[in-house]
Amino acid sequence: QVTLRESGPALVKPTQTLTLTCTFSGFSLSTSGMCVSWVRQPPGKALEWLALIDWDDDKYYSTSLKTRLTISKDTSKNQVVLTMTNMDPVDTATYYCARIREDYDILTGYHLYFDYWGQGTLVTVSS
Amino acid sequence: DIQMTQSPSSLSASVGDRVTITCQASQDISNYLNWYQQKPGKAPKLLIYDASNLETGVPSRFSGSGSGTDFTFTISSLQPEDIATYYCQQYDNHLFTFGPGTKVDIK
Repeated sequence: QVTLRESGPALVKPTQTLTLTCTFSGFSLSTSGMCVSWVRQPPGKALEWLALIDWDDDKYYSTSLKTRLTISKDTSKNQVVLTMTNMDPVDTATYYCARIREDYDILTGYHLYFDYWGQGTLVTVSS
Repeated sequence: DIQMTQSPSSLSASVGDRVTITCQASQDISNYLNWYQQKPGKAPKLLIYDASNLETGVPSRFSGSGSGTDFTFTISSLQPEDIATYYCQQYDNHLFTFGPGTKVDIK
């Protein structure tokens, strides 16, 4: 059974750095084809993809946020950590971590699906 | 970056109605398009992957089609439990964009 759970502060001040941890079970991030990603959702708004780390420690970031984001993994602890610097009130959102299933086809390339999600954690940015 | 649009932004339909949502990409994405359902206060759930493949365990009233830049998501017979917001999502290698969502409710 695959589960993911986000943890971190519920409240951060403007300009602070946010650190979120995704603790997962039911799969290993050392297994080929496994990835973990972060997605956020401001209240009442759409989903926004943030970052991804794969089994081979390759990292990918949202173009608009990449200067502020760092993603890392601790395979032994089954954890993925996301840091976001210089937090602003517009960063107030529910932050989700999700597993990505990665299939590779020699003809059509990579196929990627967010197949399991955590429950999300609401982070409010306010002084 | 590839941008995604969805229409309509919201719709209201009766139980049993056929519901169709469209999603358009700003450039050709082949079939690298997934659909998710998000109920209020819950995490999204994968329904359709690679434009037309039904995720395991998802009811067959949900379907998807399309390729290139234009995609369609259909609920063949709307059920009360289908009240949710639906998002399309494209991927370009390991970079992702979600659409703005379509909120579906019961008339």
